[in-house]
Amino acid sequence: SSELTQDPAVSVALGQTVRITCQGDSLRSYYASWYQQKPGQAPVLVIYGKNNRPSGIPDRFSGSNSGNTASLTITGAQAEDEADYYCNSRDSTTDHWMFGGGTKLTVL
Amino acid sequence: EVQLVESGGGLVKPGGSLRLSCAASGFTFSSYSMHWVRQAPGKGLEWVSSISGSASDIYYADSVKGRFTISRDNAKNSLDLQMDSLRAEDTAVYYCARDSSPVRIFGLIQDYFDFWGRGTLVTVSS
Repeated sequence: SSELTQDPAVSVALGQTVRITCQGDSLRSYYASWYQQKPGQAPVLVIYGKNNRPSGIPDRFSGSNSGNTASLTITGAQAEDEADYYCNSRDSTTDHWMFGGGTKLTVL
Repeated sequence: EVQLVESGGGLVKPGGSLRLSCAASGFTFSSYSMHWVRQAPGKGLEWVSSISGSASDIYYADSVKGRFTISRDNAKNSLDLQMDSLRAEDTAVYYCARDSSPVRIFGLIQDYFDFWGRGTLVTVSS
């Protein structure tokens, strides 16, 4: 069955740039969307589509897509960006949705 | 303002049943597909089920198919999840989320979960 693969953990120095990736065959048909989740809180949409940010999401968050890989980039990471990040898309064969396993971002 | 508020969680014994509800406000509920997503303690997000605005299209994750039933009442702006034959592995926080509605852009489909509730905890334990 289709799945989305993310690195379990990534770290970045304060103010530096970090890229979180997501791989899966479904990304050849659907854009990935990206969600930030902090402990004890519900997920929050941070990037959707080709490279779109919902209102209120800082412009240091950006997204890109190429083939079966989607990326979330944080340019100038801040302490408040420390969180779990999940990618999400849909399997065009089964119409089932799926999430990546999540990437825990640590800001050093 | 879009609001999604889940309710109905609690402690239930294995094999038991529970019905979750999600009260929606701030948007035309019948125009949007809706989802249930869960998160087991210390684990990642898992999509559970989806229902289209008219309830004509319904999908379930393999892990819950045949045990869970999603439904909606557009007159009451409410989304439900009937959970039967519950197992310990169903223990999780259950979130309802709104679907943005799919749009094809540059050859790919853009579709995402734009609003989420705060979740309700379901614990399956004897």
